[in-house]
Amino acid sequence: QKEVEQNSGPLSVPEGAIASLNCTYSDRGSQSFFWYRQYSGKSPELIMFIYSNGDKEDGRFTAQLNKASQYVSLLIRDSQPSDSATYLCAVKGPGGFKTIFGAGTRLFVKA
Amino acid sequence: EAQVTQNPRYLITVTGKKLTVTCSQNMNHEYMSWYRQDPGLGLRQIYYSMNVEVTDKGDVPEGYKVSRKEKRNFPLILESPSPNQTSLYFCASSPGTSGYTFGSGTRLTVV
Repeated sequence: QKEVEQNSGPLSVPEGAIASLNCTYSDRGSQSFFWYRQYSGKSPELIMFIYSNGDKEDGRFTAQLNKASQYVSLLIRDSQPSDSATYLCAVKGPGGFKTIFGAGTRLFVKA
Repeated sequence: EAQVTQNPRYLITVTGKKLTVTCSQNMNHEYMSWYRQDPGLGLRQIYYSMNVEVTDKGDVPEGYKVSRKEKRNFPLILESPSPNQTSLYFCASSPGTSGYTFGSGTRLTVV
């Protein structure tokens, strides 16, 4: 079992729709959870982080964390073609030093 | 401008010829890390550092060395590169509580 799992996609949504990206992790002691966006040929950039159970909103982005289910998700409202990218879920382990990434989900937003 | 600077951006080398990829950050971050990114495998951590002179192995450390003599610099050394080290490499830094800022990447080809 991979430590951080994501559906590789591609996930295709129409412009203006809600895109839902999901991630599960195996280590119950994990402390911090991150979502990065990576455009083709570019480096990952941090878009959201969440530490506590529940929802965290930032503009069109909402991160959701459920530690009991070991599940973290990212919702993108009013999706735009510019949101088309690979979204990486990352989990920081109990020691707070190692950060493990999922393989990423490719998102396509159709105009 | 706050940034992580990696050099070189592209490198083609031959098997066995020692090389160093430099990484420097200007944000006074304590944490620094090296990742390699391969298709289908995502980002895998090679080494990380919690502070000057404090480093530890990530998930794929074989064939790599690092040093952290100054807070801002974290070079990645390949003593005897092999073709299976052909990959896209990212250096990243973090203040610790939040996520990473990534460098632009180094695409390494070992022939």
